[in-house]
Amino acid sequence: EAQVTQNPRYLITVTGKKLTVTCSQNMNHEYMSWYRQDPGLGLRQIYYSMNVEVTDKGDVPEGYKVSRKEKRNFPLILESPSPNQTSLYFCASSLTPPGQGYYEQYFGPGTRLTVT
Amino acid sequence: GEDVEQSLFLSVREGDSSVINCTYTDSSSTYLYWYKQEPGAGLQLLTYIFSNMDMKQDQRLTVLLNKKDKHLSLRIADTQTGDSAIYFCAEPADMRFGAGTRLTVKP
Repeated sequence: EAQVTQNPRYLITVTGKKLTVTCSQNMNHEYMSWYRQDPGLGLRQIYYSMNVEVTDKGDVPEGYKVSRKEKRNFPLILESPSPNQTSLYFCASSLTPPGQGYYEQYFGPGTRLTVT
Repeated sequence: GEDVEQSLFLSVREGDSSVINCTYTDSSSTYLYWYKQEPGAGLQLLTYIFSNMDMKQDQRLTVLLNKKDKHLSLRIADTQTGDSAIYFCAEPADMRFGAGTRLTVKP
């Protein structure tokens, strides 16, 4: 089954404790991205990756890191989480980057993160 | 500021039509998209419209595009309780999503 998986689905942590949210897709997609969803603000892109070893900042990259060592995996790293990073996070992948003709982004189920 | 705008809430009665509106600023996207997010789930592509089209119909869904006003709408005919969800419009050129419209369908 074609899918994007994220782990964990729920996480409660404390300020400053490093954490990683994993993302994996089994569709051989080149483009992957991370979003955060906050009430009234919709989805905002954190980072994206056009291919292995190619990553770039989205609209709200501060406080986050990513890596793309393999095509299928795109982990999101919070080196020192703060309460303002409490949010719902989505990983997504697509065959081609957005804007290049028709494409469909496949979204993971989301990770709800609470930082106290 | 937000480049894609939507109203946040819409409530309709079962069987009525729902119309969700969206305005955008970047007109370079070849396609515009509507995504649906059901409770506790990620977003799923619901439908899309090519930028040189004015209208697209897909069963109960009708998408209207007014390029001059940069206005996109999604009409759901005969709305059902299963249509209750958050609907996002998206223009992909700059990966912009609207804030999402929460549709509540009352029996």
